[in-house]
Amino acid sequence: DGGITQSPKYLFRKEGQNVTLSCEQNLNHDAMYWYRQDPGQGLRLIYYSQIVNDFQKGDIAEGYSVSREKKESFPLTVTSAQKNPTAFYLCASRDSPSYEQYFGPGTRLTVT
Amino acid sequence: AQTVTQSQPEMSVQEAETVTLSCTYDTSESDYYLFWYKQPPSRQMILVIRQEAYKQQNATENRFSVNFQKAAKSFSLKISDSQLGDAAMYFCAYRSHDRGSTLGRLYFGRGTQLTVWP
Repeated sequence: DGGITQSPKYLFRKEGQNVTLSCEQNLNHDAMYWYRQDPGQGLRLIYYSQIVNDFQKGDIAEGYSVSREKKESFPLTVTSAQKNPTAFYLCASRDSPSYEQYFGPGTRLTVT
Repeated sequence: AQTVTQSQPEMSVQEAETVTLSCTYDTSESDYYLFWYKQPPSRQMILVIRQEAYKQQNATENRFSVNFQKAAKSFSLKISDSQLGDAAMYFCAYRSHDRGSTLGRLYFGRGTQLTVWP
């Protein structure tokens, strides 16, 4: 089945540690996105990538980094510089003809 | 940047009744797309309905319909014959028609939590 996978569903880390969230898609989509969701905040864009080896900062990129070495994969690293990393993280990819975004199931990150 | 405002943090409706969720947006563009997404407790984002700004006709998908008022920059979602499975967080979102500069990014409102009572 085609789709977007994010793993793991729940992730726990100690403060001061970097952590990488996985996002993989087999939809053959060029563009991919990372969003952060906090209660009462809606979804906010962290990073997005239009093609391999290219990515751009979104509205809240500070404390995050990404890579796009393969079309299928767009991992997000939450660094120790991110002041409030505990949140729900959603990955999405975009269909080229329709420009519609398809979302993964998300990863809940808890940092203590 | 475009902004999307959902003024109702929470709404509730009785099963089989109708409810309307509000959304307003701010943009200087004339051509764009508007969306309503549903996020149930599983937290999977599901596209409910979309509206293209150049179309005057309001979009409809089964029990879901929108009231698109372009001049007022308003985009409300009406859910008819509400069902228990409609209980979810609903997000309004905006996307520019200009695919080049914004790479198709979405701007989201803060969401409205809908409760459906039996």
